[in-house]
Amino acid sequence: DSGVTQTPKHLITATGQRVTLRCSPRSGDLSVYWYQQSLDQGLQFLIQYYNGEERAKGNILERFSAQQFPDLHSELNLSSLELGDSALYFCASSKMAGGSGEQFFGPGTRLTVL
Amino acid sequence: KNEVEQSPQNLTAQEGEFITINCSYSVGISALHWLQQHPGGGIVSLFMLSSGKKKHGRLIATINIQEKHSSLHITASHPRDSAVYICAVRGNYGGSQGNLIFGKGTKLSVKP
Repeated sequence: DSGVTQTPKHLITATGQRVTLRCSPRSGDLSVYWYQQSLDQGLQFLIQYYNGEERAKGNILERFSAQQFPDLHSELNLSSLELGDSALYFCASSKMAGGSGEQFFGPGTRLTVL
Repeated sequence: KNEVEQSPQNLTAQEGEFITINCSYSVGISALHWLQQHPGGGIVSLFMLSSGKKKHGRLIATINIQEKHSSLHITASHPRDSAVYICAVRGNYGGSQGNLIFGKGTKLSVKP
């Protein structure tokens, strides 16, 4: 158990809908990272937050957004969903801001868009 | 060309065999990670390296910064080692600083 929690575990929805994925980092970790793992693209970095502020952005679509709250949990919002958004979404946490240090991964949320 | 290349893509071994998985990268990095992804999907961080060699139980990871290459070795492999092993590098250039760039993974199957 990494200490990172993600909810829900599975999510099935329809095209055009909006969903919110939630992540709680390990106790004491200030950085949260979001990753997408699809069959064709593999794992890709989406976005990082550190202590409530956006720190780095990767291959995140404009339809996707994220935030980190004062209690350090983070939410990833996916809107106008398309079939291609079906993937595993992982969050990870670490203590450091700059991405240095080990990252601890949550169990993932499996999103299926029908 | 991918910035992080792993070989082989798939690997089948007999229990007890010595296994090597290779990772080559083409960008400047501040660290390299080896991750293990179980069939259920969960990801576990095995090693984080910036130089030299690290050992944990039957797992050994090495990195050669000059050659931009890392290897993950598993000694005395066991069926429970069956998983996907993913190499990821942390870029140290431009806007990628701190972000992980992932290889496509190596699927290992160890037969009893």
